[in-house]
Amino acid sequence: DAGITQSPRHKVTETGTPVTLRCHQTENHRYMYWYRQDPGHGLRLIHYSYGVKDTDKGEVSDGYSVSRSKTEDFLLTLESATSSQTSVYFCAISPGTDSGNTIYFGEGSWLTVV
Amino acid sequence: KQEVTQIPAALSVPEGENLVLNCSFTDSAIYNLQWFRQDPGKGLTSLLLIQSSQREQTSGRLNASLDKSSGRSTLYIAASQPGDSATYLCAAYTGTASKLTFGTGTRLQVTL
Repeated sequence: DAGITQSPRHKVTETGTPVTLRCHQTENHRYMYWYRQDPGHGLRLIHYSYGVKDTDKGEVSDGYSVSRSKTEDFLLTLESATSSQTSVYFCAISPGTDSGNTIYFGEGSWLTVV
Repeated sequence: KQEVTQIPAALSVPEGENLVLNCSFTDSAIYNLQWFRQDPGKGLTSLLLIQSSQREQTSGRLNASLDKSSGRSTLYIAASQPGDSATYLCAAYTGTASKLTFGTGTRLQVTL
């Protein structure tokens, strides 16, 4: 299995509080991604990174920010959590799928905003 | 904008049956297409990746095909087993930075 660790795995938080999810990889892959998975919507890309300090928005980036200060860590921050951000969050890594390499997913972080 | 659709959303088959899962995409300018498996409460596991220059890939009882011109991919599972029960997702790689667009998945149940 690819070395991806997400933390925390489960969290319950109150509306309006900031939340940070961490993704840590041991594969030294260039690309890192944050997805959310919701019933009826599948997986949707929130933000991604293509190198240290290089990040860009995905299709559902409003209310989220990210940072990547080291190759191995990619942080997702919900600046002021809302109930609509209750979801399962998946981190993924890839050396670069253009060359036919696959993408690897973490085990997910279950976030409930009450 | 790439859109990926999977039909059916759910499928139940008896053990031993051969089955086909469908995936369609709107933008044929893809780098490759990948099939994943997801068990309840778990992350996604890559099953097969088909590059845009290929027409199919095989791994054990699984065979995935790709027809870019028609915007379709199929995942064929031979001699299904109860352990194949899971949700199967396809994803198209398009655009820059190796981004994926996922379908919503087909939930498969293989019964005894």
